[in-house]
Amino acid sequence: DAKTTQPPSMDCAEGRAANLPCNHSTISGNEYVYWYRQIHSQGPQYIIHGLKNNETNEMASLIITEDRKSSTLILPHATLRDTAVYYCIVRRFPWAYGQNFVFGPGTRLSVLP
Amino acid sequence: DTEVTQTPKHLVMGMTNKKSLKCEQHMGHRAMYWYKQKAKKPPELMFVYSYEKLSINESVPSRFSPECPNSSLLNLHLHALQPEDSALYLCASSPPEGAPNTGELFFGEGSRLTVL
Repeated sequence: DAKTTQPPSMDCAEGRAANLPCNHSTISGNEYVYWYRQIHSQGPQYIIHGLKNNETNEMASLIITEDRKSSTLILPHATLRDTAVYYCIVRRFPWAYGQNFVFGPGTRLSVLP
Repeated sequence: DTEVTQTPKHLVMGMTNKKSLKCEQHMGHRAMYWYKQKAKKPPELMFVYSYEKLSINESVPSRFSPECPNSSLLNLHLHALQPEDSALYLCASSPPEGAPNTGELFFGEGSRLTVL
């Protein structure tokens, strides 16, 4: 699976959009981009995933560049509860069942009042 | 039921104790995972069970012994641990092949282990 790089930390004002970047310049055509977050001392929580099209769900939007070398997770109206570590993960499809899910260091997002 | 349940939430044990962590899911998932997470670090994979068979062991010391007695239950048996084994232990599961969202992992809230 391709490696990802993320900024170690970011701040965002409450109520504003939080844009979290992820670089995956070695991604191949059959690799998906996943985003998870982990609120302090809880288990990681799935947010969204995509292959090449932009995706949106009730939690966030995922924008993937046309060359797929980078992506941005957007939390449209950040709240204090969105303070967490956000992980960008690349995973090859088809995945062997029970394949490892490798977490990088992630981005620590602090939403400020 | 869309949860992965881990017990106990907190465990304190001495280096000579034997204890177990338990993980349960009733979503029909057939892959289950143990991760270890030290403070301010990302989760690191320890073991994967696929269809109740151990498929990945990331060179974990033998003082950690996993067990998957059935498709809903995953245990991690602990014996003769060291203080550096103190960490958050996370269990996860994923849907079977062919099911929707096969690529996702569903995590429990973790068991925080302290070894004295």
